[in-house]
Amino acid sequence: NAGVMQNPRHLVRRRGQEARLRCSPMKGHSHVYWYRQLPEEGLKFMVYLQKENIIDESGMPKERFSAEFPKEGPSILRIQQVVRGDSAAYFCASSPSAGSYNEQFFGPGTRLTVL
Amino acid sequence: TQLLEQSPQFLSIQEGENLTVYCNSSSVFSSLQWYRQEPGEGPVLLVTVVTGGEVKKLKRLTFQFGDARKDSSLHITAAQPGDTGLYLCGPGYALNFGKGTSLLVTP
Repeated sequence: NAGVMQNPRHLVRRRGQEARLRCSPMKGHSHVYWYRQLPEEGLKFMVYLQKENIIDESGMPKERFSAEFPKEGPSILRIQQVVRGDSAAYFCASSPSAGSYNEQFFGPGTRLTVL
Repeated sequence: TQLLEQSPQFLSIQEGENLTVYCNSSSVFSSLQWYRQEPGEGPVLLVTVVTGGEVKKLKRLTFQFGDARKDSSLHITAAQPGDTGLYLCGPGYALNFGKGTSLLVTP
């Protein structure tokens, strides 16, 4: 039973380019969460999605960032017109439900470097 | 967004020592998870505590949930280099896990 998969593991972009990060949740999980991690800031929540729905995007920057979780295929976190400050590790987590335990299983992350 | 404070932020000890790290909040949680993250990897779930006062053991790791379900602690007995990592606590999504406790165990 494969865990949460993220690709690419490393992504290098120049300022102004677009970054697309993909996340395939664990089999049977319909809830996906995206986090950003910087050494000096810790692990910060960005967005919570279920299939075809954004449930909570309170942690997502209002501009240039978007996320989707289509009926078929992986969840995508898209960053348009990247800037150096977007350089970070981006983690995806999935859970089977939004029950009270909220146990999340994390992927290995995508390390984005903006030149 | 619920806030969790973890302490200490950094801990460097020698193999064989015991240690305790803390996770505190002013909010009440229905459950709390502990994760360990190794460099270059994603956080790995260690345990979930649900009931106030609950104690769970995972080999040399002992997790306790406060009676009021506002805080938790992780005690490691006879630490080993393999315990090195970033320890994070969190009650679920929409949480900024914060910086966690970075533990280094040297041989």
